Amino acid sequence: DQQVKQNSPSLSVQEGRISILNCDYTNSMFDYFLWYKKYPAEGPTFLISISSIKDKNEDGRFTVFLNKSAKHLSLHIVPSQPGDSAVYFCAASSTIPYNQGGKLIFGQGTELSVKP
Amino acid sequence: DTEVTQTPKHLVMGMTNKKSLKCEQHMGHRAMYWYKQKAKKPPELMFVYSYEKLSINESVPSRFSPECPNSSLLNLHLHALQPEDSALYLCASSQSRIPANQPQHFGDGTRLSIL
Repeated sequence: DQQVKQNSPSLSVQEGRISILNCDYTNSMFDYFLWYKKYPAEGPTFLISISSIKDKNEDGRFTVFLNKSAKHLSLHIVPSQPGDSAVYFCAASSTIPYNQGGKLIFGQGTELSVKP
Repeated sequence: DTEVTQTPKHLVMGMTNKKSLKCEQHMGHRAMYWYKQKAKKPPELMFVYSYEKLSINESVPSRFSPECPNSSLLNLHLHALQPEDSALYLCASSQSRIPANQPQHFGDGTRLSIL
């Protein structure tokens, strides 16, 4: 039972264009969503997050959109740069139930390749 | 540079050995986590410590034994591991476990190989 799904294992984008990474979830109790970037031989690096009370959060080149009714979130990277090439994981957590609060559930990841 | 430091970076051990993985953070975070990540898979939660007390144990086999000596340190003691335990072990920390709307920050992990 995969509660967080990233259906695209890979994505290739030209430098300077927009990268759009997608994520779907099934658990309506999730109230906090995050995106992490991971390079080989490194741990995941936190990129951006969004609370369920918002539908958009922006930080520089990165914007996360949340559609609660569709249980869908997306990460937009504009403009894409070769250094953005990495595996991107979406993750979700909920405060309820209390004894499971803070537990992060990750999607399978999408490998982004930005070509010069 | 990661603010969560894990040692060692690589570890090779036999199935009868006892070893420990260490994790340290100096961000004043009161929640710390252990995750296991297999190749081409997402991280999977193993344990959560909140204010130095074990809060969540994801039904992890007893050959993995976590310890939180103080608010900055987290250990994972390993004993009698199996070859299928070979993986990347990641440590993370966050300001607190609850509320859940706080990012977890990860170390670079320990690459563990069981012979």
